[in-house]
Amino acid sequence: DGGITQSPKYLFRKEGQNVTLSCEQNLNHDAMYWYRQDPGQGLRLIYYSQIVNDFQKGDIAEGYSVSREKKESFPLTVTSAQKNPTAFYLCASSPPLIGRPDSRTYNEQFFGPGTRLTVL
Amino acid sequence: RKEVEQDPGPFNVPEGATVAFNCTYSNSASQSFFWYRQDCRKEPKLLMSVYSSGNEDGRFTAQLNRASQYISLLIRDSKLSDSATYLCVVTPFPYGGSQGNLIFGKGTKLSVKP
Repeated sequence: DGGITQSPKYLFRKEGQNVTLSCEQNLNHDAMYWYRQDPGQGLRLIYYSQIVNDFQKGDIAEGYSVSREKKESFPLTVTSAQKNPTAFYLCASSPPLIGRPDSRTYNEQFFGPGTRLTVL
Repeated sequence: RKEVEQDPGPFNVPEGATVAFNCTYSNSASQSFFWYRQDCRKEPKLLMSVYSSGNEDGRFTAQLNRASQYISLLIRDSKLSDSATYLCVVTPFPYGGSQGNLIFGKGTKLSVKP
């Protein structure tokens, strides 16, 4: 079955440690995204990538890093520089625009199940 | 003014009720609009896109008022399974999320009671 997987589902980290969150998709989507969600808050964009070997900072990139070496994979590293890393992290992907016959069929972002990171 | 604003609720309604959610956005250049649904501790899922002419999908109707920068979602004949948080989402790009940035509201929580 096609979809987006994130692992692990729950992650605990000690203060001062870097941690990498996995995101994999087999939907053949070009674009991938990382969001963070805090309780009672909307999703905020951390990084996004439109194509392999290229990515851009979102609104809250400080303290995070990403790589996009393969189309299927977009791992996120939460570094010790991130001051408040405890949150729900969501990865998403979306298909390319090219070849879509219906201009009203706006691109949907498909989300993975998320990783809950807790810093102890 | 926040980019996308929603009434956080919660909206507590009985089964069968009609409920309406509103959302306002600040960027007049916004071009694509969506409603997502998020169940407790789960990922968001697209409920429906919002078209300029308004659109309906079963019990759900979405409306867009560009002049007032306002989006609405109407749910008729509420079911217990409609209980969730509804996220209003806006992007300045005409073709939605693929070009980068979806701006999410904080969501409106709906609780449908028997």
